[in-house]
Amino acid sequence: AQTVTQSQPEMSVQEAETVTLSCTYDTSENNYYLFWYKQPPSRQMILVIRQEAYKQQNATENRFSVNFQKAAKSFSLKISDSQLGDTAMYFCAFITSGTYKYIFGTGTRLKVLA
Amino acid sequence: GAVVSQHPSRVICKSGTSVKIECRSLDFQATTMFWYRQFPKQSLMLMATSNEGSKATYEQGVEKDKFLINHASLTLSTLTVTSAHPEDSSFYICSAEPAPGTQGTDTQYFGPGTRLTVL
Repeated sequence: AQTVTQSQPEMSVQEAETVTLSCTYDTSENNYYLFWYKQPPSRQMILVIRQEAYKQQNATENRFSVNFQKAAKSFSLKISDSQLGDTAMYFCAFITSGTYKYIFGTGTRLKVLA
Repeated sequence: GAVVSQHPSRVICKSGTSVKIECRSLDFQATTMFWYRQFPKQSLMLMATSNEGSKATYEQGVEKDKFLINHASLTLSTLTVTSAHPEDSSFYICSAEPAPGTQGTDTQYFGPGTRLTVL
């Protein structure tokens, strides 16, 4: 079965500091995509970052970057210079190419402290 | 780009009535849309996959006669909760995936969600 595990239910970080959210997954497929979504209190799901499994280079979007370790099936999210607006639930997800169906993790609630 | 709207954002209805929720992709065409349900402090639970011009595919345990899905165009999918009961109260979220061959395919973009309360 394909699964996504987020082992940190809650985390907190001081404003301007760096925090890393962990995500591991399990699949026997070779072609897939990985995502981090942010869900703030408004509950709007926002795409943070996307990584194609066939790319070795880690994806980066401004203050957000990933550490993608394909052999270890690990996909952690690093948030640099944390801001109060980063306070949200973060979901890790992956999709096997051509299948359409996301597999979501259980989420990590991140709180940025002033 | 890749904006998805959902309407209404909040609805309160009486038990036994039907409620329709609309999901629109505003700046892209989506051959596939998805409907999720989210319980408080939990992850998203996929209810069904909606393909333009064909019948929706429902996940195991989701009653297709209760949750009617129509995907009549490349930018609009609707979810109708028929004969709603208090246990149907929840947060419903739709998402849309850009058509194959376009930028962003294999990525889902989410609507802002609809909070349904059935009295």
